[in-house]
Amino acid sequence: EIVLTQSPGTLSLSPGERATLSCRASQSVTYNYLAWYQQKPGQAPRLLIYGAFNRATGIPDKFSGSGSGTDFTLTISRLEPEDFAAYYCQQYGSSPLTFGGGTKVEIK
Amino acid sequence: QVQLQESGPGLVKPSQTLSLTCSVSGGSISSGAYYWSWIRQHPGRGLEWIGYIYNSGTTSYNPSLRSRPTILVDSSKNQFSLRLTSVTAADTAVYYCARGEGIENLGLLISPLDYWGQGILVTVSS
Repeated sequence: EIVLTQSPGTLSLSPGERATLSCRASQSVTYNYLAWYQQKPGQAPRLLIYGAFNRATGIPDKFSGSGSGTDFTLTISRLEPEDFAAYYCQQYGSSPLTFGGGTKVEIK
Repeated sequence: QVQLQESGPGLVKPSQTLSLTCSVSGGSISSGAYYWSWIRQHPGRGLEWIGYIYNSGTTSYNPSLRSRPTILVDSSKNQFSLRLTSVTAADTAVYYCARGEGIENLGLLISPLDYWGQGILVTVSS
């Protein structure tokens, strides 16, 4: 099973700042099949990024994904009020599908 | 636009079986190369994949849940379901259904979960 470790657990930033979230895998993610989701309280996760760097339909370009192998990054270029939420990475290249523990981006 | 909606009891007694249904609208569960998945989220915690099913009936489950989950598909109703046996308080969670794209005969998932239901809270308590 591929274990995904996200860091930091909480990121305290101000609107307009840049957010950099990390996701590290215990072994190489097959085909770099790594996704990022955003989740707000009381809502289902929303797919942001798939295949490590491809934006999902309707996702603004302030969200970008990068990385390969075992190290992946989600960057939010300039935080807006609606971006303060929890973010999860997930690998879907091998079974069982696994999620990271999440990073909460909170307003400083 | 595909929509998914979970339904089922919000309260289940310990040792009993949790049963949930996911109704799919805006598209046929039989069309395309999609896998239909169940995921859960314990209160205040992260996400845990439970398993998925293809329209053909092919399934895959998270080994951590041992042999407790069963996922079935009912194409005539455009639904798929989850049964989880021998529940305990540790199974209290919000349960989500979701869709992804895959190539069944290669055992390859080519997309993550792009459409999700709103989730349903299931509490295990006597």
